[in-house]
Amino acid sequence: EPEVTQTPSHQVTQMGQEVILRCVPISNHLYFYWYRQILGQKVEFLVSFYNNEISEKSEIFDDQFSVERPDGSNFTLKIRSTKLEDSAMYFCASMSSGHEKLFFGSGTQLSVL
Amino acid sequence: KNQVEQSPQSLIILEGKNCTLQCNYTVSPFSNLRWYKQDTGRGPVSLTIMTFSENTKSNGRYTATLDADTKQSSLHITASQLSDSASYICVVYGGYQKVTFGTGTKLQVIP
Repeated sequence: EPEVTQTPSHQVTQMGQEVILRCVPISNHLYFYWYRQILGQKVEFLVSFYNNEISEKSEIFDDQFSVERPDGSNFTLKIRSTKLEDSAMYFCASMSSGHEKLFFGSGTQLSVL
Repeated sequence: KNQVEQSPQSLIILEGKNCTLQCNYTVSPFSNLRWYKQDTGRGPVSLTIMTFSENTKSNGRYTATLDADTKQSSLHITASQLSDSASYICVVYGGYQKVTFGTGTKLQVIP
């Protein structure tokens, strides 16, 4: 089965630093998502992206967050100035048109010190 | 507000026993409902999909039910195995790629 690939699997950063989390969605998918999961808590929606623009974002996705799809294959999440509370597992997901099934990557564990 | 509530929050069962996980949703419009299994430190993986017209669907030892009138779904696991230990997430798709995640049930199967 095709896979969503995320890199890195683990990222450790200092508070206030910028981080970029990378994702390669499944090639023929058109809808892209970022979710996060704080340890022991439920999966939380961050943002959805379609046709090279954000289609929906949650309250969590504030001005410190941005997404882009720079080259038609990678889908990145940038956190400009990380905070301690940004520590979480970040999941990228993609979905094809007309088939409602999210495919998730294995996640990036972000630790902000 | 679209919500998906799951119960129980956590569950411990003996290997070989059966269990049933519950999902109640208030998502509208409704397109379909999926149960996902999430192993620790991994991304969720879809187990089964239930559409509006389906009442019961089985996938191996997993059987999902859907009552669209009461907006309830259940996931029944038969003859549990240690590898079934995971979080199980009920996810409701509302059309137009709108997705609402449930609160999850953490299942632990012990020998």
